[in-house]
This record gives sequence, structure tokens and C-alpha cells, in this order.
Amino acid sequence: GAGVSQTPSNKVTEKGKYVELRCDPISGHTALYWYRQSLGQGPEFLIYFQGTGAADDSGLPNDRFFAVRPEGSVSTLKIQRTERGDSAVYLCASSLEGQLFTEAFFGQGTRLTVV
Amino acid sequence: GNSVTQMEGPVTLSEEAFLTINCTYTATGYPSLFWYVQYPGEGLQLLLKATKADDKGSNKGFEATYRKETTSFHLEKGSVQVSDSAVYFCALNSGYSTLTFGKGTMLLVSP
Repeated sequence: GAGVSQTPSNKVTEKGKYVELRCDPISGHTALYWYRQSLGQGPEFLIYFQGTGAADDSGLPNDRFFAVRPEGSVSTLKIQRTERGDSAVYLCASSLEGQLFTEAFFGQGTRLTVV
Repeated sequence: GNSVTQMEGPVTLSEEAFLTINCTYTATGYPSLFWYVQYPGEGLQLLLKATKADDKGSNKGFEATYRKETTSFHLEKGSVQVSDSAVYFCALNSGYSTLTFGKGTMLLVSP
């Protein structure tokens, strides 16, 4: 596609449930990033993939959060035993290479609401 | 650690007014600095960037100068339009492939 695609655009789940959020990056982009944006805050880094491997997962808040990118393209962010505090907009971005000056293109995000 | 502080919004201006959104940062090393914009209903878009001290980034009439001595990267525009209404995020990249963002500043421009 022309841009970064994230699905679903909205997700409502019950506390304790498992959710998966999908990101389809721009074709050919080797670097992929996940960020989380809480209400009134800027995006916060979660994890960065270079190809299939997680180059930096230091932003994942705890072991309930996990992300994969098995073929170096689509990525899935997985959240186990969701909590109300996980409610936020989850943003995905991709870039040609994970380097300093390469522009990262963002998707529109998935709004997750845990009730 | 790295951090970015932006002026709180909303900033409310009339069309053709002068805009300044302040941004200061704390970082190790020599970061690159960015302004991203989020229009209503759209994803974050890179507005402009500067990669070293005294560089000026510019795009769509917006400008920002990388001031190392004051650790600032203030966003300016000489004459805003209604279509500039959006949320603006200042961000830095300090040697890793990730961005540290400020909290964002909402700009509302009225006709």
C-alpha cells in the first residue's frame, strides 16, 4: 500500500483478555517501530525491528507485551492479560533503514480501550 | 536520559498571526531534532528536521533552528492559516533509531 496500515483502527476489549494489533509497513522498509500514545502525551517508544529481529525492545513496559515480525514485513504487537492502563493509541512506523536521518512514516494508529 | 519539553497548548491564533511553539531538550551526545505534525484524523507526519547545531529546518513556511547553546528547537511560522490547525510534536533522536517525543502542542487557527 501507499502508507503504513494498522488494523484494527479501534479495539475494545475486556480487562484480562488478549489482543493483537497489526502493522503493515511500507513495502521495502526494513525498519519498523511501535510507539504508544496515551491521552495528552507524546508517543512513547516500545520496540524497534530491523528486518525480522527486535533490535531494541527496551520500551516494552513489562512481559505482557510482545511483538513479532516473522518475515520482515508485517508486525504484530501482542498484549496478554490486558489492564485498563494499557488503554492508549498504539502507533506503528516504518523507515527504509533504522538510521538517524531516515524519515519514519507513521500509521494512523490503533485505539485500544480496555474496559 | 533524553527528554523533550514543549509549551502547553492549546495555542489559539487568528489567521495570518505569527506562530512560535517553544521546544527545549535534554540529551546525551549530539541529537537530531524534529518537528512532527498530526492533522485531525491523520497519522504523524514529519514537518522538518535539523541534524546539527545551527542548522535550520524548514517546510511549508515553518522554520526551526537547532540551538545547542540553549538546547532549543522552537517552531515558527510568519503567517498561520486555518489549515495549520493540528497538534505539533517536537522530538529528538540521540544516536539510536528511536525518537523521544514531547507531549505535543495543539494549534487552533481561526479565520
